[in-house]
Amino acid sequence: EAGVAQSPRYKIIEKRQSVAFWCNPISGHATLYWYQQILGQGPKLLIQFQNNGVVDDSQLPKDRFSAERLKGVDSTLKIQPAKLEDSAVYLCASSYLQGRGTEAFFGQGTRLTVV
Amino acid sequence: QKEVEQNSGPLSVPEGAIASLNCTYSDRGSQSFFWYRQYSGKSPELIMSIYSNGDKEDGRFTAQLNKASQYVSLLIRDSQPSDSATYLCAVKAPYDMRFGAGTRLTVKP
Repeated sequence: EAGVAQSPRYKIIEKRQSVAFWCNPISGHATLYWYQQILGQGPKLLIQFQNNGVVDDSQLPKDRFSAERLKGVDSTLKIQPAKLEDSAVYLCASSYLQGRGTEAFFGQGTRLTVV
Repeated sequence: QKEVEQNSGPLSVPEGAIASLNCTYSDRGSQSFFWYRQYSGKSPELIMSIYSNGDKEDGRFTAQLNKASQYVSLLIRDSQPSDSATYLCAVKAPYDMRFGAGTRLTVKP
């Protein structure tokens, strides 16, 4: 079974530029998560989708971050404009269901450096 | 605010010893609890899940859950140098999955 796919693996941009990350979840997984992990910290939930609907985006900085999940499969996360403090690893995870008893599996992540 | 707290460590144990990792959470509506292992520069890897009070064992790993005390722990028996990593506690309450800051474990040969 293929795992969660993310691209690109690495990205370096200048502040105020825009950037987009892509995630393809495990086939059949209805729930998709985007996390931001700053070096030395635990993953911080940015947004959670159930199929193509948003379940939780309370920690997403909506003035600069946006995310979508068209057709309930692939998802993109965009930052515009980027700030230095956005330098982090962006992790995508998916699970079969959103409720009790379902584990989430992570992709390899995208390491973003803003200079 | 849903909080998940872990001792950041570092925790250092000798090879062959038992490593004990602890986690507390704030939301009493939490239903699912997970331990992930994260090697440096890698993404988190699921190692244990637990949903009911008590112990759950899988090989050298034992997860313990006490919902009354809002406490989850992970025991690693016969610790190996390859267990050296950051261990992340994750809690679903009930749908969104939140992580602690992680505990860095070093197993010394």
